Amino acid sequence: GAGVSQSPRYKVAKRGQDVALRCDPISGHVSLFWYQQALGQGPEFLTYFQNEAQLDKSGLPSDRFFAERPEGSVSTLKIQRTQQEDSAVYLCASSLAGSGDHEQFFGPGTRLTVL
Amino acid sequence: AQKITQTQPGMFVQEKEAVTLDCTYDTSDQSYGLFWYKQPSSGEMIFLIYQGSYDEQNATEGRYSLNFQKARKSANLVISASQLGDSAMYFCAMREDNAGNNRKLIWGLGTSLAVNP
Repeated sequence: GAGVSQSPRYKVAKRGQDVALRCDPISGHVSLFWYQQALGQGPEFLTYFQNEAQLDKSGLPSDRFFAERPEGSVSTLKIQRTQQEDSAVYLCASSLAGSGDHEQFFGPGTRLTVL
Repeated sequence: AQKITQTQPGMFVQEKEAVTLDCTYDTSDQSYGLFWYKQPSSGEMIFLIYQGSYDEQNATEGRYSLNFQKARKSANLVISASQLGDSAMYFCAMREDNAGNNRKLIWGLGTSLAVNP
């Protein structure tokens, strides 16, 4: 398909485990965003890439969170030593760069449950 | 600080009627964009409508229109002729255009809309 895809769609982890969440943006989209959406809340910004450069990681809640986009396309969000408070839906979005881009296209999200 | 406020946790509307979902925002920037997204129970965020801070006309997209009142810092979403498929969470979001290359969105808490047959 032509949309943003994320995998896995669901992930259950035991507290203390490491997890890796994958995002495949729309082909040709330069900008990529990760958001965290807790139950009953709006999304919260985590980090932003322009191509392979991580231009803003101010939203990452702790140094256990790490994101990369080494070739400027697929991105991985890694959470080390997961905690229960990390349980949330992790949304990935992509958009074209430039002043004309208004819309961020979202993937279906990965629902992470930490037991 | 940037902030989006949606004061209606839940709304009900009768099918075929119009409904207004409220959104107010706070920013010190002159250039910004306002967005509405729909999130059905499946979880995917679906873009509905966009309003730029310098746009003089209110944005419209089919049955969706945005009632933009800049002086009051409000950007309410109006859905006309509601359909059962409109039942979902609706989020208002803002992007500050002077934040360099980062076009991150700041989100409200959302409004849950239920359309009754």
